[in-house]
Amino acid sequence: QVQLQESGPRLVKPSQTLSLTCTVSGASISSGDYFWSWVRQHPEKGLEWVGYIFYSGNTYYNPSLMSRMTISIDTSKNQFSLELNSVTAADTAIYYCARADGGIGEVYALWGHGTLVTVSS
Amino acid sequence: EIVMTQSPATLSVSLGQRATLSCRASQSISSNLAWYQQKPGQAPRLLIYGASIRATGIPARFSGSGSGTEFTLSIGVLQSEDFAVYYCQQYNGWPRTFGQGTKVDIK
Repeated sequence: QVQLQESGPRLVKPSQTLSLTCTVSGASISSGDYFWSWVRQHPEKGLEWVGYIFYSGNTYYNPSLMSRMTISIDTSKNQFSLELNSVTAADTAIYYCARADGGIGEVYALWGHGTLVTVSS
Repeated sequence: EIVMTQSPATLSVSLGQRATLSCRASQSISSNLAWYQQKPGQAPRLLIYGASIRATGIPARFSGSGSGTEFTLSIGVLQSEDFAVYYCQQYNGWPRTFGQGTKVDIK
């Protein structure tokens, strides 16, 4: 059974960098036609697509965040990561890692549990 | 950016009744639309993709329809576990975008 698990600091100071890692278990991150993704959800709000990475390293980012973010992949550790710099309170959200299956379209059938990251001094 | 607009914001339905949720795209997205269910404290769960294809393990009471800009999610014979927030998501244009959600609660 494939599972995703987010990890990283839950509290980040304004202007600093948010760093999260998603560990994939039960399957190789290098196999299949998958989009390894980040989606966030502001408290009591809707969902916002952040971006994704292929195992090859190709990335696609939300233009609203592109100038501040990087998604990377470490196939040796079966992990992918999100870095978002110059954070503000507006970046406080639950961050989910998720997998989209290119075989059925870019839809998210597999999600991590999500981790709440709070931006506060 | 393609804006996804869901209606209504809240839908109050009795157990055993049918629920119909709408999602409108600001431009045509063909059939590149998915529906998700989210319960409090949980990650979203994929229900429908390709506008009308049920995801693995999703009960037949969930059905999706539509193409272009107008889409519908129907939940027939509402069960207690169906009370949740439902989101639509388009994957035709960049960036991928979600609707703001429809909360289905008990009448």
